[in-house]
Amino acid sequence: QVQLVESGGGLVEPGGSLRLSCAASGFIFSDYYMSWLRQAPGKGLEWVSYVSFTSTYTLYAESVRGRFTISRDNAKNSLYLQMNSLRAEDTAVYYCARDLFGTSDWGQGTVVTVSS
Amino acid sequence: DIQMTQSPSSLSASVGDRVTITCRASQAISIYLGWFQQKPGQAPKSLIYATSTLRSGVPSKFSGNTSGTDFTLTISSLQPEDSATYYCQQYNSYPHTFGQGTKLEIK
Repeated sequence: QVQLVESGGGLVEPGGSLRLSCAASGFIFSDYYMSWLRQAPGKGLEWVSYVSFTSTYTLYAESVRGRFTISRDNAKNSLYLQMNSLRAEDTAVYYCARDLFGTSDWGQGTVVTVSS
Repeated sequence: DIQMTQSPSSLSASVGDRVTITCRASQAISIYLGWFQQKPGQAPKSLIYATSTLRSGVPSKFSGNTSGTDFTLTISSLQPEDSATYYCQQYNSYPHTFGQGTKLEIK
């Protein structure tokens, strides 16, 4: 079955960087758009970014544009999110997701905390 | 960006009841609307896509419908395990925006 396992979260100071990873299995990774979404503590869901099959197209939420970079390695069945210039408001659980008619499958999430 | 206005923000219902949650889109999104269930401490789970199509394995007690830019999720024969927060998401255009969520309590 579809499995998405995120890693790379942690505590980082404002202005710092983190790189999130997502290991995918149970499906042909290169056949799907992939996305990152997040959920701040006690808040709702927010779409962050997506990448197309072969990384030709990417898109970002306005809140992270210019600071975050999404990428994928189809040979490794992996999705990444490079997060730079982190702010306190980026504190959230970050989810990796497969896109099939909208967001279809979610990982369990990785926690990112931005604090001094 | 397309705004999704979800209501109510919370509701309480009894075992066996039927409830309806509504999402209104700020502009036309055709049928590109999905519904998610999230239980505390867990990742969201996709229930419905394309307004009314159930994801594989989702029980038929969940159903979706639309009237123009208003979309509804109906849950019938409520059970304790249906207690969760439910979200809608439009995927007609990026960014794929969500409603604010509806917290469902089972009395």
